[in-house]
Amino acid sequence: DTAVSQTPKYLVTQMGNDKSIKCEQNLGHDTMYWYKQDSKKFLKIMFSYNNKELIINETVPNRFSPKSPDKAHLNLHINSLELGDSAVYFCASSQGTGYEQYFGPGTRLTVT
Amino acid sequence: GQQLNQSPQSMFIQEGEDVSMNCTSSSIFNTWLWYKQDPGEGPVLLIALYKAGELTSNGRLTAQFGITRKDSFLNISASIPSDVGIYFCAGFTNAGGTSYGKLTFGQGTILTVHP
Repeated sequence: DTAVSQTPKYLVTQMGNDKSIKCEQNLGHDTMYWYKQDSKKFLKIMFSYNNKELIINETVPNRFSPKSPDKAHLNLHINSLELGDSAVYFCASSQGTGYEQYFGPGTRLTVT
Repeated sequence: GQQLNQSPQSMFIQEGEDVSMNCTSSSIFNTWLWYKQDPGEGPVLLIALYKAGELTSNGRLTAQFGITRKDSFLNISASIPSDVGIYFCAGFTNAGGTSYGKLTFGQGTILTVHP
């Protein structure tokens, strides 16, 4: 019954590695997002996709590459991980213009 | 970029007390929203406000969209232990001439309720 799900919940990896986080929503929404929450709990949007098309890219390093195979899925691939990438990453979805966004449970990424 | 100033940063209250927190911005937002985040979970939408001056309630929660469209407040009445968490305000702006847009979040208010 989970509306927005993410895998994995926790991800511990070493600097320089490449990793992916997956997100799926079963709400029938057409817009999906990735957010980063830092250690001070500050939430900032990274990307937004509508019907598999990128509509927002908030000056995120190009080591981060989102991919949307269909409108129910939005994955995040991160190359050459750095210590500063350690954070909680949230996927969210909305219908239409995106006023009301529904968030997944988050993926805690720790880079050592 | 746009910034939202949310205050207070943290609150420690007794069960049964009322709580008030607010959010201000130097920019106008079309929509204001309030979210709550429990530990280890994603933010959950509490209230959405669509028009300047709008006052909306959701149970013990009441929120208002400021007349200037640059501020909003959230009140929680008769707090209970499960109100503990981080409360975020968020303002919505359109992205580059499209109808789609993004949320800009405040820094959050950490609420602790003592039984």
